[in-house]
Amino acid sequence: GENVEQHPSTLSVQEGDSAVIKCTYSDSASNYFPWYKQELGKGPQLIIDIRSNVGEKKDQRIAVTLNKTAKHFSLHITETQPEDSAVYFCAASIQLGGADGLTFGKGTHLIIQP
Amino acid sequence: EAGVAQSPRYKIIEKRQSVAFWCNPISGHATLYWYQQILGQGPKLLIQFQNNGVVDDSQLPKDRFSAERLKGVDSTLKIQPAKLEDSAVYLCASSFGTSGPYNEQFFGPGTRLTVL
Repeated sequence: GENVEQHPSTLSVQEGDSAVIKCTYSDSASNYFPWYKQELGKGPQLIIDIRSNVGEKKDQRIAVTLNKTAKHFSLHITETQPEDSAVYFCAASIQLGGADGLTFGKGTHLIIQP
Repeated sequence: EAGVAQSPRYKIIEKRQSVAFWCNPISGHATLYWYQQILGQGPKLLIQFQNNGVVDDSQLPKDRFSAERLKGVDSTLKIQPAKLEDSAVYLCASSFGTSGPYNEQFFGPGTRLTVL
């Protein structure tokens, strides 16, 4: 089955600086890669996703890149703000209809230092 | 639009007892998922339903866990009997499509289970 590795487990950055979280996946058939933000006591919230036919996607301060050959994808947050502090999860799945449950990484605790 | 609803939010039981969790997905969403999130880890898929049929239950410990989705809307996840290692947050998620691809999953707030 799919295996997703995520690094680092903890990331501390100064407010206003950029943060980068990296993930690798094992199953070359995976074609959908979402990123979720989870705040304490809440369920994961989708913040951005990328499909296998796209190399990069941006949404305001957030961007995701995908390298299918190397089987890795990354989340980039620019101009970080205190409200960005949370745990971030990458995930992967094979979406062709039918079974498309997500395989998650172990998470990155992002700390924004004021 | 209302999100995924789950209840209860918290549950404390003793080992060997039974427990049930309830989920109401976003209106119109055909696909429903249950995930288990152990403290400090990412969510792990337990079971996926499309309408009222099971699509994937390969990671569900069937000797103690069961789930159903009657009428293709609400779902219940049951654990009987519970073990200490079942302490976790149980997350329900739903997505719109039945045939894919690229169905975004929306998560509920979860039920935090503590087994003593």
